[in-house]
Amino acid sequence: EPEVTQTPSHQVTQMGQEVILRCVPISNHLYFYWYRQILGQKVEFLVSFYNNEISEKSEIFDDQFSVERPDGSNFTLKIRSTKLEDSAMYFCASSANSRGYGYTFGSGTRLTVV
Amino acid sequence: SQQGEEDPQALSIQEGENATMNCSYKTSINNLQWYRQNSGRGLVHLILIRSNEREKHSGRLRVTLDTSKKSSSLLITASRAADTASYFCATDKGGSEKLVFGKGTKLTVNP
Repeated sequence: EPEVTQTPSHQVTQMGQEVILRCVPISNHLYFYWYRQILGQKVEFLVSFYNNEISEKSEIFDDQFSVERPDGSNFTLKIRSTKLEDSAMYFCASSANSRGYGYTFGSGTRLTVV
Repeated sequence: SQQGEEDPQALSIQEGENATMNCSYKTSINNLQWYRQNSGRGLVHLILIRSNEREKHSGRLRVTLDTSKKSSSLLITASRAADTASYFCATDKGGSEKLVFGKGTKLTVNP
């Protein structure tokens, strides 16, 4: 069964450093998403991406965050200057349509900011 | 704001018993989905129910949706130890692509 692949599975970074989280969505999917889950809290929507541009973003997704699809396969989330409160599990997802269903989530990247 | 809220927060049962988890939300929705998350792992899609549907089955899973009460339930029948996980409901509404998740129910199935 097709999978969404995320790398790395765990990343530790110093506060203030830039991090890039990588995702390989399912190949025929057109819609891409990032969500995050702070330990013990809800999964929260960050951003959706379609046709090489952001289609929707949450208030969490401020200027410190950016997304990119640099080639035909990767989808990245960059955090420019990490803060302690950015520590969370970050999930990438993709779907073939935009109707909120048919999502496939990756297994996540656990980001720890120290 | 639109939110999915599950109850109970935690549920512990014996293998073979049925597990029922509930979800409530606040605004009108297009779809409601249930996801499963094993500890520290990714989200696995279980089942989706559309706002015009009342009940849906998939294997040992049964989902109901009551839009008048803005609530849904997930029933897992004949539970197994491997069903031990956290279960989340997630809703989406028209005009937005995002899913809004609840805090989840942590299910423990004891062998």
